[in-house]
Amino acid sequence: GAGVSQSPSNKVTEKGKDVELRCDPISGHTALYWYRQSLGQGLEFLIYFQGNSAPDKSGLPSDRFSAERTGGSVSTLTIQRTQQEDSAVYLCASSLQGRNSPLHFGNGTRLTVT
Amino acid sequence: KQEVTQIPAALSVPEGENLVLNCSFTDSAIYNLQWFRQDPGKGLTSLLLIQSSQREQTSGRLNASLDKSSGRSTLYIAASQPGDSATYLCAVNIQGAQKLVFGQGTRLTINP
Repeated sequence: GAGVSQSPSNKVTEKGKDVELRCDPISGHTALYWYRQSLGQGLEFLIYFQGNSAPDKSGLPSDRFSAERTGGSVSTLTIQRTQQEDSAVYLCASSLQGRNSPLHFGNGTRLTVT
Repeated sequence: KQEVTQIPAALSVPEGENLVLNCSFTDSAIYNLQWFRQDPGKGLTSLLLIQSSQREQTSGRLNASLDKSSGRSTLYIAASQPGDSATYLCAVNIQGAQKLVFGQGTRLTINP
């Protein structure tokens, strides 16, 4: 079956521009996560969505970052006024039942801010 | 604050060997622990999930153990193959939160 799909796979943007990253989770998965993976760093939690509950935004590094999940399915991560330190691979994952189930990751969006 | 450490950072072994990857965590109040593999330029693939009440999980040539009280997990790979070459990450699901805390990973190379 189809896995987690992320688009675009690569994005190069100029410092100060806004970017939107998209995630299509596996159908039927109620939980959706965004993580960030930087060179030399581990995976950093950003945000978590579960069904209709309020999202856990505790990992968002600044107010330039926001995310939404429409209709309990597709999610968009938006970064406003991008900075060079935002350059990283942004990974989306979904799971059937939140932390009780294995996470399925997409291939990520590699963001480069020039 | 939960910290996850994986040692070694890199490991290279000849094909056919059995090997063990190590993961340690500082806070034993975990909900579960997962092992993932990551191939270059790809996302993570879940290998095994161990609940906090379990001691081990097995899938094919992989066996993961969990000793929550000592803050340790190991991933045992039997009869290694070149296709096992990847970065292996462990991650703990902490109590009271939905996020996974990841280690830095062990980069494994299996030489034919």
